[in-house]
Amino acid sequence: GNSVTQMEGPVTLSEEAFLTINCTYTATGYPSLFWYVQYPGEGLQLLLKATKADDKGSNKGFEATYRKETTSFHLEKGSVQVSDSAVYFCALSQLSGGYNKLIFGAGTRLAVHP
Amino acid sequence: EAGVTQFPSHSVIEKGQTVTLRCDPISGHDNLYWYRRVMGKEIKFLLHFVKESKQDESGMPNNRFLAERTGGTYSTLKVQPAELEDSGVYFCASSQGDRGGWKLFFGSGTQLSVL
Repeated sequence: GNSVTQMEGPVTLSEEAFLTINCTYTATGYPSLFWYVQYPGEGLQLLLKATKADDKGSNKGFEATYRKETTSFHLEKGSVQVSDSAVYFCALSQLSGGYNKLIFGAGTRLAVHP
Repeated sequence: EAGVTQFPSHSVIEKGQTVTLRCDPISGHDNLYWYRRVMGKEIKFLLHFVKESKQDESGMPNNRFLAERTGGTYSTLKVQPAELEDSGVYFCASSQGDRGGWKLFFGSGTQLSVL
C-alpha cells in the first residue's frame, strides 16, 4: 500500500542554519504531496503542497519539490528561526472510495536554538 | 471562526475502563476524520465521516472502538474496554469538499494513556 517515510529526528539546528528534512513515498498512481506542521500545543496545519511532478510548493520560506523520478518531497528552508521549532509531517493523498485520504509519515521534530 | 475542538486534552485511565473522546469540527465541514499517533510513529487513519455517515472505517483497529457522529455535527470516539496498546494521541480533523478535500484542519489532539 501507499506509505511515506521521513528522516528520523530530532533535528537540532542553530538559528539561521539551512534545513533539509527528507521525505520519500511509495504510491500507485500520482498522489498529491503535502507537508503539515504541528507547533507545540496546537493541531497540525497545512504548510505547503504540490499536486504533480516537478511542482514546487512554498510557504513561510519553506519549499519542497515533487520529484517523481526519486519519489521524494524533501522540505527545505534557507534560514531557520527559533519559531520554526515544531514537528513536521510529510503526507500524500490517495483516493479511497471516491474520497481523498491522507497518509502521513512518522513526523520529524525540529528544534532551533538561538 | 472557531477551529476544530477536541475534548479532553488528556485522559489517563486503567486497562479495562471506557473512555469517550469528543470532536467538534469547524462549522459547515461535512468531512470529519479521526487519526491516531502511537509512540511517536506515523499518524494513522482511523475513519472518515461524511456528514453523519461513515464513508471509510478501514483504519479502525478492532470492535473495541466505536465512532459516531450525531446529526452530522460533533463526533465521539469510544474505546471500550481500553487496552494498553490504545495509548497515543488521537487527532480529529475536518475539511470541506465533495471528495474529502486535502486541506485538513486538525484539533490539538487527545493524549490517551492507558495504564
